[in-house]
Amino acid sequence: NAGVTQTPKFQVLKTGQSMTLQCAQDMNHEYMSWYRQDPGMGLRLIHYSVGAGITDQGEVPNGYNVSRSTTEDFPLRLLSAAPSQTSVYFCASSYSRQATGNTIYFGEGSWLTVV
Amino acid sequence: KQEVTQIPAALSVPEGENLVLNCSFTDSAIYNLQWFRQDPGKGLTSLLLIQSSQREQTSGRLNASLDKSSGRSTLYIAASQPGDSATYLCALYNTNAGKSTFGDGTTLTVKP
Repeated sequence: NAGVTQTPKFQVLKTGQSMTLQCAQDMNHEYMSWYRQDPGMGLRLIHYSVGAGITDQGEVPNGYNVSRSTTEDFPLRLLSAAPSQTSVYFCASSYSRQATGNTIYFGEGSWLTVV
Repeated sequence: KQEVTQIPAALSVPEGENLVLNCSFTDSAIYNLQWFRQDPGKGLTSLLLIQSSQREQTSGRLNASLDKSSGRSTLYIAASQPGDSATYLCALYNTNAGKSTFGDGTTLTVKP
């Protein structure tokens, strides 16, 4: 059981470049989300999805796009990378957003540096 | 807006000591609270999940409590070991906001 898989693990981008962080889960979870983790600011929600075809913005959505064409995959796109997007990105999933006993599972993280 | 505070930011203890990590929150309209462990360079691993109607959960040497009236949760670690060294984060799922809010974490070092 792979759980939540994120790729790439490390990436260096130049300002203005675009890229996609991949996230896949094999637990048939409805709810998937992307966070960024920055020193002193904790984990902040970027975008989330409550099911295939449904996405919504979190706290810090600017500069990022998402789509959810399948239950398994939830890619995060950086449209035009900026140094402020240098961060560690985590994908997470759970069975449902509001179900009882709703454990959140995290991927291993993607370290992104924008120069 | 929910605010979650974890104090202290860092804690160093000798092996074998019992310890308590604290998590304070401002909005008691929570659905559940989770404690996570994060090792350096890794993602977060869920340790314990407490539903809003529960007061505590236990798993091995870990015990988490929840007191909504005082806006506090504690994670108790018994007989600490060097392998417990990690950052511990709490996260609250708010009924009103429909999302989880994370604390910044407490970095624990257990010295042999």
